[in-house]
Order: sequence, then structure tokens, then C-alpha cells
Amino acid sequence: GESVGLHLPTLSVQEGDNSIINCAYSNSASDYFIWYKQESGKGPQFIIDIRSNMDKRQGQRVTVLLNKTVKHLSLQIAATQPGDSAVYFCAEKYGGSQGNLIFGKGTKLSVKP
Amino acid sequence: DTGVSQNPRHKITKRGQNVTFRCDPISEHNRLYWYRQTLGQGPEFLTYFQNEAQLEKSRLLSDRFSAERPKGSFSTLEIQRTEQGDSAMYLCASSLVETQYFGPGTRLLVL
Repeated sequence: GESVGLHLPTLSVQEGDNSIINCAYSNSASDYFIWYKQESGKGPQFIIDIRSNMDKRQGQRVTVLLNKTVKHLSLQIAATQPGDSAVYFCAEKYGGSQGNLIFGKGTKLSVKP
Repeated sequence: DTGVSQNPRHKITKRGQNVTFRCDPISEHNRLYWYRQTLGQGPEFLTYFQNEAQLEKSRLLSDRFSAERPKGSFSTLEIQRTEQGDSAMYLCASSLVETQYFGPGTRLLVL
């Protein structure tokens, strides 16, 4: 079975609010995590990544938090915009692998204007 | 455009036919990956190249699937004797280190 999953399949937020998308993983040997945004009919677009030796990383309007104690990953989007509407995937890489990513099923984010 | 490119973008074929997809990675990236994505699911790893060497293959990659990267640049993914269950989006990604950048995908429909 998949070791990466998401708590909420859909998330609806008001424009301007902050969004939090959660993800659980089960492999404690995973050493790298990454978030992607995927719009309909397009390939996944890189958002932000984090290695297991960190617990927080910030980008432009996005923050990823990693809690290794409970094997939880979250993506925070500040001041959500209509253009943020998409499906968001988290993925992990096992420490012993060559580089293949294990993806969860995704969370659909809908931003209401 | 300097991103990952894939061709064709769409392919419709009849069951039993062979199909081949091409991926051109970002030019300085030596790592190349193939994934398959079905509707409503996340991408599933198929295979990985470092330069021209195929270093990892998923159990999803049956004997009907073959991937090559002959000169360490572009890659091809061939599916022989296609089945309806092969209908999916086939995604290619490339990386220099860990961060994988995806192409737009090739959507395959097997009738």
C-alpha cells in the first residue's frame, strides 16, 4: 500500500486566507520530501522540498513543516489566491532508493473569490 | 522553453498496437525518471536513469514496457501490445540532484 497519504481529499478556502494541506507518511527511513501542484491536464509543478534533517523550510508564500516524530508533513500557503486552485501532492523518497518518489493521492484545493 | 518536454502530448491507439513516447529533459540534468499517473491518483514510479544507465525499475514495469536513454540525453518509453489498462498519463521528470522537474506528460488512451 501507499505510505504517503493525505488527511483531506478536498479543501475549500476563501481568497486571501491561509491554506494548510496535510500529509502523513509511514516510512521512517524517508529522507526527502517534496510538494507539487498539479493543474488539470498538466504535469506536476515543483513547489518546495525539505530534507529530513530540517523541520521547516520557507519559500515565496509557502512553508513546509516536517514533524518526524509523528511522520507528518504540511504545506502552508499564505494569502491564497485563485491561481492556487489545483491538486497538491506530497511525495517522499526512501533513504535507500536511487531517487524514485512515492506520491500520495492528492488534495484538491479550491479558492473562492 | 528550457523545461522538460514530452512528445506526443496525446496518443490514441488500438489494443495490441505498440506505442513510443519521447522525453527531452532539462539540458544539464543527468537524471531522468518515468512515472505513470491514472485519474485521481498520484504519479507512480516506473524507472530511473542516471546518464544512459537504467538504475532502477518498478515492478509496475512489465515485460511489455521498455525504456531507453541511449546517449544520456533524451529518453524513450515503449509499450508493446498495449492493453486498455495501459491508458494513463505518462510523465517524465529530470533532476540534477534530488528536485525532480516534470514535463507536461503524454496522455495515452487505448481503445
